[in-house]
Amino acid sequence: QKEVEQDPGPLSVPEGAIVSLNCTYSNSAFQYFMWYRQYSRKGPELLMYTYSSGNKEDGRFTAQVDKSSKYISLFIRDSQPSDSATYLCAMSGTSGSRLTFGEGTQLTVNP
Amino acid sequence: GAVVSQHPSWVICKSGTSVKIECRSLDFQATTMFWYRQFPKQSLMLMATSNEGSKATYEQGVEKDKFLINHASLTLSTLTVTSAHPEDSSFYICSASAATGYEQYFGPGTRLTVT
Repeated sequence: QKEVEQDPGPLSVPEGAIVSLNCTYSNSAFQYFMWYRQYSRKGPELLMYTYSSGNKEDGRFTAQVDKSSKYISLFIRDSQPSDSATYLCAMSGTSGSRLTFGEGTQLTVNP
Repeated sequence: GAVVSQHPSWVICKSGTSVKIECRSLDFQATTMFWYRQFPKQSLMLMATSNEGSKATYEQGVEKDKFLINHASLTLSTLTVTSAHPEDSSFYICSASAATGYEQYFGPGTRLTVT
């Protein structure tokens, strides 16, 4: 069983839709949670990072962490074609340590 | 966010030659740098972790004599692929983390093609 499970998709939505991306994990030592966006042939770009359970909002993006359920989510409101990319969840146990990635979800937002 | 650069962005080399890839943190000091490789439509695979001034820690299955990593300063780490073979063709990405935070910032990646 993988430490981090993420549905690879692909996920296709119309422009303006709310997108929900999710990851589950099994290692209770994970304390830091991140979401990265990766465009084709580019390096991952850090979108959100959270430490505690709860919600964190940044513009159209909301990250949600539920440590009791070992479940994290990323919501994208008013999705745009430019949001089309692969979204990777990542997590680590200690500050600055190695990340464990999900498989990535490929998202396409259709105009 | 912080900026990490990589050079070159792409490189083609002949089988048996060595290739060096540079990773630089441009606006912060990176005490830890990570090297990943990524195959098409797959997630990132951690190859090694390097701390400034120390030997790199390699992941299981990664040949340390083939993938030489040097983290000589707080802003520069290099990955040298020695005696490259076609199966080493991949997308290599570095990331850097500052001492004061836990975010990892990624470089744009280097596409290596070995012919």
